[in-house]
Amino acid sequence: DARVTQTPRHKVTEMGQEVTMRCQPILGHNTVFWYRQTMMQGLELLAYFRNRAPLDDSGMPKDRFSAEMPDATLATLKIQPSEPRDSAVYFCASVLRGSAYNEQFFGPGTRLTVL
Amino acid sequence: KNEVEQSPQNLTAQEGEFITINCSYSVGISALHWLQQHPGGGIVSLFMLSSGKKKHGRLIATINIQEKHSSLHITASHPRDSAVYICAVTGNQFYFGTGTSLTVIP
Repeated sequence: DARVTQTPRHKVTEMGQEVTMRCQPILGHNTVFWYRQTMMQGLELLAYFRNRAPLDDSGMPKDRFSAEMPDATLATLKIQPSEPRDSAVYFCASVLRGSAYNEQFFGPGTRLTVL
Repeated sequence: KNEVEQSPQNLTAQEGEFITINCSYSVGISALHWLQQHPGGGIVSLFMLSSGKKKHGRLIATINIQEKHSSLHITASHPRDSAVYICAVTGNQFYFGTGTSLTVIP
């Protein structure tokens, strides 16, 4: 069955290292969201793309975070350099028909720990 | 100031009970979402509402745009409904509630 996949599922890294998280949206979905979830802040929207173009990345720290969609089947979220405060679960979600208001399908998340 | 407020924060119910979770928001929205997050961490989108009411199985979601309020109801609750329920609104920006942790006891 169709589902959003994310890799890696878990990542432990040291402060200062580059981290790249990947997301494969459901085939045919052309809107992709990146969220971050922490105990303190809960869920936050980092960025979202429609037809591979960034529509809103205001929730993302620009100095260290970058998000791209190299093609329609892959979205990436990169942190360089990583910091302990980046430790969180990062979720990707995709939407059918490109509407931001339709049902979102979430990936299983990448649990990032920065030491 | 939280743009989205949920209540209660925690809820424990006996199996079979009728459950209501509330969400109030203070911003203009285009849609409101109810999400379910299970203890394993996975998130499922339950409903997206812009008006009225939606029903899916034992779950019912309502929204009152004038009052800026939505409710999620679970009828005949079951232990497998134990999860965190998150309200989110979309408009000019995305805002999330802090979630309601529901535990249903057999």
